Amino acid sequence: SAVISQKPSRDICQRGTSLTIQCQVDSQVTMMFWYRQQPGQSLTLIATANQGSEATYESGFVIDKFPISRPNLTFSTLTVSNMSPEDSSIYLCSVEDTGTRYNEQFFGPGTRLTVL
Amino acid sequence: SQQGEEDPQALSIQEGENATMNCSYKTSINNLQWYRQNSGRGLVHLILIRSNEREKHSGRLRVTLDTSKKSSSLLITASRAADTASYFCATTRRNDYKLSFGAGTTVTVRA
Repeated sequence: SAVISQKPSRDICQRGTSLTIQCQVDSQVTMMFWYRQQPGQSLTLIATANQGSEATYESGFVIDKFPISRPNLTFSTLTVSNMSPEDSSIYLCSVEDTGTRYNEQFFGPGTRLTVL
Repeated sequence: SQQGEEDPQALSIQEGENATMNCSYKTSINNLQWYRQNSGRGLVHLILIRSNEREKHSGRLRVTLDTSKKSSSLLITASRAADTASYFCATTRRNDYKLSFGAGTTVTVRA
């Protein structure tokens, strides 16, 4: 299965600042996704990161707040902009691994963000 | 938005006992995947069951799927302290790669 890494693993930020989270995969994948997990909650899809084009955002998420880059098939970044304490969450990237039999989705280790 | 509900929300068992948790969903699915999350870290993929399958096994894990009831169950046999985690089900619909997650079940295995 694809091996996914994320940087940073955690960060504490001041309100009004921005943080960029990196996601690196050890193989080329078509589909990459970004999820948010608010404290004590389940996961919510933020957007699909599309290589060579703008990301596709889910309802309630906008590009100005969560700009996403996908320069190639192994790498993506998510920026959390103009942060407020409500943005404190775990942010996870995932990939659909077409190398597996049934295209399972695998997740990175997550980035735990605390906004003060 | 979450498609699924999971129950129970929390489960506490003794080491060696079995743990069963259930997941229900609302719309027709292509497949259903179960994940484990330890202490707010990343999700570990446990098992995928397709809509035309009824049961799958992987080690101490047994997953069932009843599409007529739109529900799935995850059974962990002979639980260990290391099984203490949150467990999530997630579904995909036909021709849609997006995962829709359930609320999760928190399992505590007491030594």
